Amino acid sequence: QVQLVQSGADVKKPGASVKVSCKTSGYTFSSYALHWVRQAPGQRLEWMGWINGGNGDTQYSPRFQGRVTITRDTSASTAYMELTSLRSEDTAVYYCAKDSHFGDYDVWGQGTLVTVS
Amino acid sequence: EIMLTQSPGTLSLSPGERATLSCRASESVDSSYIAWYQQKPGQAPRLFISATSSRAAGIPDRFSGSGSGTDFTLTISRLEPEDFAVYYCHQYDYSPATFGQGTKVEIK
Repeated sequence: QVQLVQSGADVKKPGASVKVSCKTSGYTFSSYALHWVRQAPGQRLEWMGWINGGNGDTQYSPRFQGRVTITRDTSASTAYMELTSLRSEDTAVYYCAKDSHFGDYDVWGQGTLVTVS
Repeated sequence: EIMLTQSPGTLSLSPGERATLSCRASESVDSSYIAWYQQKPGQAPRLFISATSSRAAGIPDRFSGSGSGTDFTLTISRLEPEDFAVYYCHQYDYSPATFGQGTKVEIK
């Protein structure tokens, strides 16, 4: 079955960077886009950006433009999200989510807690 | 950016009752691009409804979605114990995609 397995929780100091991985299985990685969504404590879900699993094209939310980079390794069926210049407000659970082909997110990773302190 | 406002914030109901959750968009959204997700504590969101009214795989038919333009609704016809959770609406018609703030369905 389709699975997205993310890297473990991380603690970073303000100003540092974090890189979260999302290893996929059970489907053809290059055929679907992957999104990154975060959820700060008590806040709504927030879309950060996505990557085309096939050609690597990316699109980012203006809110994170310049601080976020999404990459992929097709040989490992894995996507990565790097967020730089971390501040306390970036403390959140970060999720990767597979695009269904229609824009909704039909399978999600388990989430990665990033604490900035 | 499209703002999605969900109401009510919390819905207190008993098992067997009907739940009606609302999602209002700040601008008209193509109904092909509205989804609903369920999230339980400590878990990732799970897709329940896509394209306003299409149930995702494995979602029981007591869940239904409707709406158009700026107003969308998720209805749970008869609440089961496993349905008590937070529900988020999501628009993916415009970039950036956005989510509502969630409606918590709690046991009364």
